[in-house]
Amino acid sequence: EPEVTQTPSHQVTQMGQEVILRCVPISNHLYFYWYRQILGQKVEFLVSFYNNEISEKSEIFDDQFSVERPDGSNFTLKIRSTKLEDSAMYFCASAPGLEIGELFFGEGSRLTVL
Amino acid sequence: KQEVTQIPAALSVPEGENLVLNCSFTDSAIYNLQWFRQDPGKGLTSLLLIQSSQREQTSGRLNASLDKSSGRSTLYIAASQPGDSATYLCAVRGYGGATNKLIFGTGTLLAVQP
Repeated sequence: EPEVTQTPSHQVTQMGQEVILRCVPISNHLYFYWYRQILGQKVEFLVSFYNNEISEKSEIFDDQFSVERPDGSNFTLKIRSTKLEDSAMYFCASAPGLEIGELFFGEGSRLTVL
Repeated sequence: KQEVTQIPAALSVPEGENLVLNCSFTDSAIYNLQWFRQDPGKGLTSLLLIQSSQREQTSGRLNASLDKSSGRSTLYIAASQPGDSATYLCAVRGYGGATNKLIFGTGTLLAVQP
């Protein structure tokens, strides 16, 4: 069964460093998302991406964050100058379209900022 | 602003019991509602998707209902098993915006005792 895959599963980084989280969405899907879940808190929307551009972003998604679909299969989230409060589980998701609207999530990448 | 709440926050039941998880949302103008399962440290597995025009959806031992006017959804699990132990999340998609942005609830942590 097709699935969303994410790498790395866990990354530890020093405060101030840049990290890139990678995702391979389901192959025929058109909409891509990043969500995050800080330990003990709700899953929060970060950004959605369609047709090679950001279609919606939350107030969390500031200039520290960027997304890219560099090669037609990968979908990346870059976090510049990481802060302690960026420590969270980051989930990638994809959807085939808007009409049905079912999202399929990956296993997540746990980011720990020291 | 849409707020999604889940009650109870935690639930422990003996194996074989039927149980109901509750989800409420403040803005009844939703496009759809999705129930997910999250195992500890893992990703989100989609269980059921209910469109706004539907009253319920069933998959195996799971049945989800939707009452938009009262801002409620329930997830019914029949004949619970220890393997059902996980956190169950509901998430709603509103109208407007260009994407499938989901607003998540706080989750219900379910433990099924053998």
